[in-house]
Amino acid sequence: EAGVVQSPRYKIIEKKQPVAFWCNPISGHNTLYWYRQNLGQGPELLIRYENEEAVDDSQLPKDRFSAERLKGVDSTLKIQPAELGDSAVYLCASSLAGAPAYFGPGTRLLVL
Amino acid sequence: TQLLEQSPQFLSIQEGENLTVYCNSSSVFSSLQWYRQEPGEGPVLLVTVVTGGEVKKLKRLTFQFGDARKDSSLHITAAQPGDTGLYLCAGEAAGNKLTFGGGTRVLVKP
Repeated sequence: EAGVVQSPRYKIIEKKQPVAFWCNPISGHNTLYWYRQNLGQGPELLIRYENEEAVDDSQLPKDRFSAERLKGVDSTLKIQPAELGDSAVYLCASSLAGAPAYFGPGTRLLVL
Repeated sequence: TQLLEQSPQFLSIQEGENLTVYCNSSSVFSSLQWYRQEPGEGPVLLVTVVTGGEVKKLKRLTFQFGDARKDSSLHITAAQPGDTGLYLCAGEAAGNKLTFGGGTRVLVKP
């Protein structure tokens, strides 16, 4: 069974540029998470979806970050414009209700 | 805000030694997961504990969930270099809300 797929794996951009990350969850998983992880720290939740509905986006910096999960399957996370402090690993995870989350390999973003 | 604190933040030991990582919170969780993350990869699920007082063993790894479901520990017996990584605990509250601790970086030297 395929795991959580994320692309790209790496992205280098200049500040003020836009960037987008894509995630395809495990088939049948209705819950999808986007986390941000800074070097040497634990992941911090940005947004959580139940099917196509964003049920927890309280930690998403809405002035520059946006996300969507059309049709309740794959999801896109966008940053516009990117800032130096956005350099981090962006992790996508998915789960069935009441079950543990499984993570993708992450997208490593470097903003110069 | 539910917070999970892990200790220690960093642990360096020799191959064959034992180690314990702690995960503590003032909040009650419906379940708690332990993950291990290696450089350049996403966290990989090791175990889920659900019942207060529960103990689970996975080869040389022993996981315990506190009676009050607020804390947990991970004990590794006879650590090997392959155990090196970032160990993360994550507590799940009602509604699939998953909160992570800050992680414990473990280095096992041969």
